[in-house]
Amino acid sequence: AQSVTQLDSQVPVFEEAPVELRCNYSSSVSVYLFWYVQYPNQGLQLLLKYLSGSTLVKGINGFEAEFNKSQTSFHLRKPSVHISDTAEYFCAVRSKETSGSRLTFGEGTQLTVNP
Amino acid sequence: EAQVTQNPRYLITVTGKKLTVTCSQNMNHEYMSWYRQDPGLGLRQIYYSMNVEVTDKGDVPEGYKVSRKEKRNFPLILESPSPNQTSLYFCASSFLGQGYNEQFFGPGTRLTVL
Repeated sequence: AQSVTQLDSQVPVFEEAPVELRCNYSSSVSVYLFWYVQYPNQGLQLLLKYLSGSTLVKGINGFEAEFNKSQTSFHLRKPSVHISDTAEYFCAVRSKETSGSRLTFGEGTQLTVNP
Repeated sequence: EAQVTQNPRYLITVTGKKLTVTCSQNMNHEYMSWYRQDPGLGLRQIYYSMNVEVTDKGDVPEGYKVSRKEKRNFPLILESPSPNQTSLYFCASSFLGQGYNEQFFGPGTRLTVL
């Protein structure tokens, strides 16, 4: 079984500031890692994913995340945020071992970018 | 266009009145799943299906039923809805098999049970 913890439920920042959204996970097997974004009143959009290889992955809208196996973390970063980045962000994991595509999600982090 | 569709998108109902939320995908995916999203809890899996006539419980199945009579459809049934089932519901689908298969999400159904 897997579990995901997003360490901050709300992150307020000013426009053009850097941001980091933190995600830790627990799993007894190897996992794929994901970040999803949900803009207000919209569905889920895949922001980026880590499958294997380079531990630094780049996603859409200037976001990137770094997989740290020893710390079981997958923190999301952006060097300079925009008002339009205001959204809820979900970290998720999926086991590599099973053929089913079940995703285990964290609790979500609400990012609010203020002018 | 490849997509997952859900209907209705918004629904307000009363306690005890049976309802069905439909989910359909046009990508010939074997795997389909229902999640509910609640503030502070993220998304939690309700039920999933690996193929036609094959369904299984997720983390929070109580009060829900599903069926998979056709590959493209995976309806979520609430036979006697209660206020604690007020939530945002997402359907998702993907291929099965070795390696990574991207999961595609529907637009969501916002359900309010009074």
